[in-house]
Amino acid sequence: ETGVTQTPRHLVMGMTNKKSLKCEQHLGHNAMYWYKQSAKKPLELMFVYNFKEQTENNSVPSRFSPECPNSSHLFLHLHTLQPEDSALYLCASSQDHGVGSEAFFGQGTRLTVV
Amino acid sequence: DAKTTQPTSMDCAEGRAANLPCNHSTISGNEYVYWYRQIHSQGPQYIIHGLKNNETNEMASLIITEDRKSSTLILPHATLRDTAVYYCIVPRGGSNYKLTFGKGTLLTVNP
Repeated sequence: ETGVTQTPRHLVMGMTNKKSLKCEQHLGHNAMYWYKQSAKKPLELMFVYNFKEQTENNSVPSRFSPECPNSSHLFLHLHTLQPEDSALYLCASSQDHGVGSEAFFGQGTRLTVV
Repeated sequence: DAKTTQPTSMDCAEGRAANLPCNHSTISGNEYVYWYRQIHSQGPQYIIHGLKNNETNEMASLIITEDRKSSTLILPHATLRDTAVYYCIVPRGGSNYKLTFGKGTLLTVNP
């Protein structure tokens, strides 16, 4: 238990569906992150939020839309995904967005796009 | 991020020390060395980090060479549950800070 909770743990969606992934942390952290991990590939940083403001968008397609309503919650809205978007989506948080701040990860959402 | 180089895989006998090396020859003076691990299909887990001095916590020890160009993560008494991919990361400092994961080292602890 890391203090970072992701829901759902598993999700199967069609290419025309709209769904959202949720991440929640009550660690008092101010920075939150979305990562994508495809099969047999390294983790890819997608988005960074620091004090609710997006500070990094790592060239992520617009079919992925993040939302950070407050420092404790982070969402990833999904629409018109492709089968190649099937992956493990991981959320993380850290005290702040900077050196010396370790990140805590959730268990991830295993997404399958059919 | 400063480039890091790790062996693709390593084996260790249960109960023995596991020593995982990492080269980071382009590290800058204010950049930290972080270690994380990822057990299969789980989220990565923070292990330890350091700047110049050696560090120890309940999970592991981190030995950083004097020139800071390499480091070694030591698991003093490896167990089967330590089988995981271990990542050595040197994030860029300042406003460009970003935790970027490479391929890491797959450590297999054998009975």
